[in-house]
Amino acid sequence: QVQLLQSGAEVKKPGASVNVSCEASGYTFINYGLHWVRQAPGQSLEWMGWINTDNGKTKYSQKFQGRVTITRDASARKSYMALSSLRSEDTAVYYCARDFSPGFYYYMEVWGEGTTVIVSS
Amino acid sequence: DIQMTQSPSTLSASVGDRVTITCRASQSFSDWLAWYQQKPGKAPKLLIYKASTLQSGVPSRFSGSGSGTEFTLTISSLQPDDFATYYCQQYYRSPLTFGQGTEVEIK
Repeated sequence: QVQLLQSGAEVKKPGASVNVSCEASGYTFINYGLHWVRQAPGQSLEWMGWINTDNGKTKYSQKFQGRVTITRDASARKSYMALSSLRSEDTAVYYCARDFSPGFYYYMEVWGEGTTVIVSS
Repeated sequence: DIQMTQSPSTLSASVGDRVTITCRASQSFSDWLAWYQQKPGKAPKLLIYKASTLQSGVPSRFSGSGSGTEFTLTISSLQPDDFATYYCQQYYRSPLTFGQGTEVEIK
């Protein structure tokens, strides 16, 4: 079955960077784009960006531009989300989620289980 | 950015009730809207896309409607498994944005 398996929880100090991975299984990786979405404690969902897993093209939310980098390794069926200059407000659960389309960003059909990132001194 | 506003924020209902959640957009955009269900400690689950198309495997008691700036999610007969938080999401324009959520709780 289609699955997205994310890396484990992280605890980081303010100013540090974090790298979260998302490994896909059960489908042809390059046939679907991937989103990264986060959810702070008790808050709504916040879209961070998207990657075309075939050609590596990305689209980021302006809010995170310059701090977030989304990449993929198609041979490993993985996507990575790196967030730099962490602050306490970045404490959240980070999700990867598969789009229904390969070439553009629409909605999230399948979600990973989430990765908790805590930023604390 | 397109702002998505859901109402109500919390809804108390009983099993068997008909429940309607509204999502209003700050700009008009036809039917580029999805709905998700999220239970505590779990990832969201896609229910509806293109405003009214039911995702495969989702029970038919869920339905969506609307276009332009006003959209609704209706649960025709609330079941115990439906107590959760629901989010709308627009995909008309980047950045993709979500509503603040509607928690459906047991009355």
